Amino acid sequence: DVVMTQSPLSLPVTLGQPASISCRPSQSLVHSDGNTYLNWFHQRPGQSPRRLIYKVSNRDSGVPDRFSGSGSGTDFTLKISRVEAEDVGVYYCMQNTHWPPITFGQGTRLEIK
Amino acid sequence: EVQLVESGGALVQPGGSLRLSCVASGFTFSTYWMSWVRQAPGKGLEWVANIKEDGNAIFYVDSVKGRFTISRDNAKNLVDLQMNGLRAEDTAVYYCATTWSDPRGHYWGQGTLVTVSS
Repeated sequence: DVVMTQSPLSLPVTLGQPASISCRPSQSLVHSDGNTYLNWFHQRPGQSPRRLIYKVSNRDSGVPDRFSGSGSGTDFTLKISRVEAEDVGVYYCMQNTHWPPITFGQGTRLEIK
Repeated sequence: EVQLVESGGALVQPGGSLRLSCVASGFTFSTYWMSWVRQAPGKGLEWVANIKEDGNAIFYVDSVKGRFTISRDNAKNLVDLQMNGLRAEDTAVYYCATTWSDPRGHYWGQGTLVTVSS
């Protein structure tokens, strides 16, 4: 199984400042079809998760452009250029390259300082 | 508007059974793989099962194999999760969700709570 390791697990950020979350899978996420199936999700308190980014760097419709995803192989990053109050919650990376099972990271809790 | 609405969550005793349902609307259900994902209280997300668009391919996480069964009815836009032999560690909010990396979009339901306790 692919183990997804996120860091940090807790991320206090000042409003308007940037934030960055790392995700390191235990093996390369490049699929035999050439795609890399690495996605990012955001879960606000008391809500269902929402996908932000799919296949490393593609933003979902309605996701603000302050969110960006990057990386390759075994090193991926979600960046928020300027944190806003609505960005609080838990962020998860997830892979569906080598499955079953589909695996998630442990989650990174973003809070406002 | 896309909607996924789960139902069926309840308090059940260890060893008991429960059937969760998820009704979809607002998108072409029959063209999406569907998944169940769970989240234990205060914990992270855990994928449980996937079912292909036509129902002809099904996959489970090891911890539920032989106990849970995912199925779908494309005529009713419905995906179910039959859960037998429930254990305390199955206690979680269960979400249905659509295909993970599909550029058309990705959707979650609001979740339904399953509590396994005597």
